[in-house]
Amino acid sequence: NAGVTQTPKFQVLKTGQSMTLQCAQDMNHEYMSWYRQDPGMGLRLIHYSVGAGITDQGEVPNGYNVSRSTTEDFPLRLLSAAPSQTSVYFCASSSNIRQGGTDTQYFGPGTRLTVL
Amino acid sequence: SQQGEEDPQALSIQEGENATMNCSYKTSINNLQWYRQNSGRGLVHLILIRSNEREKHSGRLRVTLDTSKKSSSLLITASRAADTASYFCATALNTGFQKLVFGTGTRLLVSP
Repeated sequence: NAGVTQTPKFQVLKTGQSMTLQCAQDMNHEYMSWYRQDPGMGLRLIHYSVGAGITDQGEVPNGYNVSRSTTEDFPLRLLSAAPSQTSVYFCASSSNIRQGGTDTQYFGPGTRLTVL
Repeated sequence: SQQGEEDPQALSIQEGENATMNCSYKTSINNLQWYRQNSGRGLVHLILIRSNEREKHSGRLRVTLDTSKKSSSLLITASRAADTASYFCATALNTGFQKLVFGTGTRLLVSP
């Protein structure tokens, strides 16, 4: 199994450009999520999905869109990039969707995004 | 706002010494997890402790949880240079699906 894969690894955008960060997992996990990591702030949840066709907002959703058309893929779209979106983005997946709890999350290697 | 806060922010020790990191959180949790992140890499799950557990072991790792104080500690015994990494606690809240809230992390440096 490849686990959780993310592409690209690095990306530089100009302010106002749009792009999609790709995330895929081959573990048949129902739960997938996107985080951003900024220095000194840990990881913050952007959006998450508990299954195909179901998504919800996390702590910092503004400026990002997601969709979940298949179990395997969970792309993150930046609609109009801003310098404040410069960050490292991590995708994660988990097999546990019991209400109120979560088990091990498996993380991808991350995408380092710079917005000029 | 952050749910978890790790203490200390940075820790520097010698190989063979024990390393202790603490995590405090604010609201009721279902479980608490610890993750490790090597520089420039993704996070790797280390251990999960549920709210009805008080202590858990995994190899050289020992985690405690005190729900009355809303705090947890991670102890790494007999540390090695390879343990150099950032360590994050993450709390699974009792409301909503699958939301893990991460702390700000402890940077551990283990010198040979």
